[in-house]
Amino acid sequence: GAVVSQHPSWVICKSGTSVKIECRSLDFQATTMFWYRQFPKQSLMLMATSNEGSKATYEQGVEKDKFLINHASLTLSTLTVTSAHPEDSSFYICSARDSSGIYEQYFGPGTRLTVT
Amino acid sequence: GENVEQHPSTLSVQEGDSAVIKCTYSDSASNYFPWYKQELGKGPQLIIDIRSNVGEKKDQRIAVTLNKTAKHFSLHITETQPEDSAVYFCAASYSGGNNRLAFGKGNQVVVIP
Repeated sequence: GAVVSQHPSWVICKSGTSVKIECRSLDFQATTMFWYRQFPKQSLMLMATSNEGSKATYEQGVEKDKFLINHASLTLSTLTVTSAHPEDSSFYICSARDSSGIYEQYFGPGTRLTVT
Repeated sequence: GENVEQHPSTLSVQEGDSAVIKCTYSDSASNYFPWYKQELGKGPQLIIDIRSNVGEKKDQRIAVTLNKTAKHFSLHITETQPEDSAVYFCAASYSGGNNRLAFGKGNQVVVIP
């Protein structure tokens, strides 16, 4: 149980284009999902909190117009990196909290984004 | 906000020995402390967690202890095996604000066969 998937697992895009990453909770409903970014050999940095049916809450320093988040259903949240640049290249990971729980977060396998 | 410190950054142990990773947190209101294992190129996997109303929790070879007074918690792995080699992250969740997680910097554990 508590499986979270991400799609795609890796993507290469050209500078200036946009990329959408999907995060799905497969066997539970998730009112809240989180998006993280991780650079090599570093910890996870929370980018934003996504709540179903409402606007995402972004952490300080994260551009909401660049990283668009949509949480349209209880099992799906999407992150769109708009006008991507090489510095956006990173490992993006989502997590989901079971709606029946309070604390536990289950992570997806991550998406490796490379912007050329 | 919450600040989580994790030590040591790297730990090498002989197969069969025990490994201990320690974390400290700053916000006394934090009430949930999970540990995640991350293998190269993969997402973090929840391996054990503890809530603030419990002092110790054990699951087979893995245990976590919590000292609320000192604001620190530790991960204990006994009888280490090569497949335990990974990066381990501790985190603290604070009430309010969707119970976000603040992560430590991670600990690279290497189990030497």
